[in-house]
Amino acid sequence: AQTVTQSQPEMSVQEAETVTLSCTYDTSENNYYLFWYKQPPSRQMILVIRQEAYKQQNATENRFSVNFQKAAKSFSLKISDSQLGDTAMYFCAFMNIGGTYKYIFGTGTRLKVLA
Amino acid sequence: NAGVTQTPKFQVLKTGQSMTLQCAQDMNHEYMSWYRQDPGMGLRLIHYSVGAGITDQGEVPNGYNVSRSTTEDFPLRLLSAAPSQTSVYFCASSQDPSPPNTQYFGPGTRLTVL
Repeated sequence: AQTVTQSQPEMSVQEAETVTLSCTYDTSENNYYLFWYKQPPSRQMILVIRQEAYKQQNATENRFSVNFQKAAKSFSLKISDSQLGDTAMYFCAFMNIGGTYKYIFGTGTRLKVLA
Repeated sequence: NAGVTQTPKFQVLKTGQSMTLQCAQDMNHEYMSWYRQDPGMGLRLIHYSVGAGITDQGEVPNGYNVSRSTTEDFPLRLLSAAPSQTSVYFCASSQDPSPPNTQYFGPGTRLTVL
């Protein structure tokens, strides 16, 4: 069975600084997607970034980028120039392509951006 | 587009009561799913559907029923509520089950079972 592990329950970062959130996963599949979702205090889940496992190039979306290490089964999220609006829970998630279409989520990292 | 809507936003039940959490989307999405979110547990998949008339179980299906008679609606039924079902419930949808289609989430329903 696939699992997703986020080992940092809480983190904080100064405004304008850079922070990296960790995620590791376990799967025997070769073809899958990985995601980072943001959940601000409003509770709305928002997709931040996604990575296709067969693409070696790391995904980037503005201030958000990932470090995807397929062999190590690691998928970390880097937030550059942190802003107060980045304060939220961040969830790492996995989906196997061509399988049962089940998303597996990690337990989340609570990030607080300090002014 | 209203996106993904969920009703009610809050609900309190007594043990043994039944109820239905409503989920609707107006984006003509084929894939819909239900999650529960508990502190320290992240989101766990309850049931999902890849199209009208097709449903399947997720990680934690016990105590919940679903049906998908239309593309738009995907209600979640609690047959006999238990305190262990106290949680925040999220409904989500996407055009197609496979990425890169983005999964859109509803605002959630906070359920308390006494």
